[in-house]
Amino acid sequence: DVKVTQSSRYLVKRTGEKVFLECVQDMDHENMFWYRQDPGLGLRLIYFSYDVKMKEKGDIPEGYSVSREKKERFSLILESASTNQTSMYLCASSRKDSTGSDTQYFGPGTRLTVL
Amino acid sequence: AQSVTQPDIHITVSEGASLELRCNYSYGATPYLFWYVQSPGQGLQLLLKYFSGDTLVQGIKGFEAEFKRSQSSFNLRKPSVHWSDAAEYFCAVGELTEYGNKLVFGAGTILRVKS
Repeated sequence: DVKVTQSSRYLVKRTGEKVFLECVQDMDHENMFWYRQDPGLGLRLIYFSYDVKMKEKGDIPEGYSVSREKKERFSLILESASTNQTSMYLCASSRKDSTGSDTQYFGPGTRLTVL
Repeated sequence: AQSVTQPDIHITVSEGASLELRCNYSYGATPYLFWYVQSPGQGLQLLLKYFSGDTLVQGIKGFEAEFKRSQSSFNLRKPSVHWSDAAEYFCAVGELTEYGNKLVFGAGTILRVKS
C-alpha cells in the first residue's frame, strides 16, 4: 500500500512565524502535491512537483513556497503565516502509469491554526 | 478551465437505503474522473476512477459511478448504505498533463446516515 505521511496532525502557530509542513511518501512516486482544504471550497492545489528540485504553481500559490530536495519528501513553507492560512493541508503523491494517467494518494492532513 | 459542481452540500439517508451523490463537471476534452471519500479526521481515500472504456465503474466498499458524457455527469451510487459510509465525498476531474493529472475538486458532499 502507498503510504503518505505528514509530520503533524495539528499545528498552532502565531502570525508572522515561518511554518514548515513536511510530507513523505514511501512508494518512489515522481509527483507530489500540496492542497489546502476549506469548508465549502473543497481542495485547492497550492503547488506540485514532478521531480526532485522541480516545482510548479497550482491555483493558489500566493503566500506559500515549496521545497523538494529528495524524491520522497515535499515540504510546504509559509514564509510569514497569516490568519487566512488557517486551514487543513493535505499532501498527495502519484506516479504516471502506462496509460499516461495517474492516481493521487493522500496523507492524513495537517490542521494548521494561525493565531 | 475545468470545474466540478457537487450540488448537494449535505445528504441524509437511512441505513439500508440507496444513495446517489451528484457530480457535474465542465471540461473540454475527455475527462478523467475520480471519487474520493474522507472520513472525519482522515485524508482522502480513492473510491473509484474513470479513464476510458465502460461508463459504469465499480469501486471499493460497494460503490459505483456512471459516466454520462451527454449530461457531463459522474454520479456516485450505492444500493444499500451502511452507517460507516458517513463521511464527506469529493468528486474530481483531472486535466491530463505530461506529468499526470492535475485535479480540480468539487466542494464536497457530506453524507449523514441515520439509523
